[in-house]
Amino acid sequence: DVKVTQSSRYLVKRTGEKVFLECVQDMDHENMFWYRQDPGLGLRLIYFSYDVKMKEKGDIPEGYSVSREKKERFSLILESASTNQTSMYLCASSFPGREQFFGPGTRLTVL
Amino acid sequence: GDSVTQMEGPVTLSEEAFLTINCTYTATGYPSLFWYVQYPGEGLQLLLKATKADDKGSNKGFEATYRKETTSFHLEKGSVQVSDSAVYFCALSDVGGAQKLVFGQGTRLTINP
Repeated sequence: DVKVTQSSRYLVKRTGEKVFLECVQDMDHENMFWYRQDPGLGLRLIYFSYDVKMKEKGDIPEGYSVSREKKERFSLILESASTNQTSMYLCASSFPGREQFFGPGTRLTVL
Repeated sequence: GDSVTQMEGPVTLSEEAFLTINCTYTATGYPSLFWYVQYPGEGLQLLLKATKADDKGSNKGFEATYRKETTSFHLEKGSVQVSDSAVYFCALSDVGGAQKLVFGQGTRLTINP
């Protein structure tokens, strides 16, 4: 079974903190994605990566950065967390042109 | 840009009722279409997909047909169960490249016994 794991299910941080969300997949997928999920808005793509050290901005990259130093790991970084970044964050991975597999999500609250 | 519009929820049905969740899309080219499902406390799982016009995707009793002429991909099930309660997302992806997905806003479905 494909497995995508995320480092935390729930996270509470303070405004201005630097936040790292980690995602690991075990299927040797080239592509990895970070989305945020908000009620009424569905999922919106923040960043994606199609290879190690390669990244592209998605639809809402402002306030976020990413890192992909190894094929299996894709990190989302909030340089200075703000309350409007309170959300559910979902990581996904896939082979090019194939279905995406999702992790369980991290619910982040920024106080 | 590409977009997906789903019927607004929440939707509440009784067990064994017929289900339709409407999905229409706007896209350049010929995208692949997907339905994903999110059960409480979990990530998204692929429910079914269709990659070209007139294809029918099916899984677990759910079906959806890729209708290019009406740009639609409506989800149907003949007899729903309590265990079908979840949030359903319609999505499309570009044919090539990294296959970025564009999602609809999601429809919360509750089935009462």
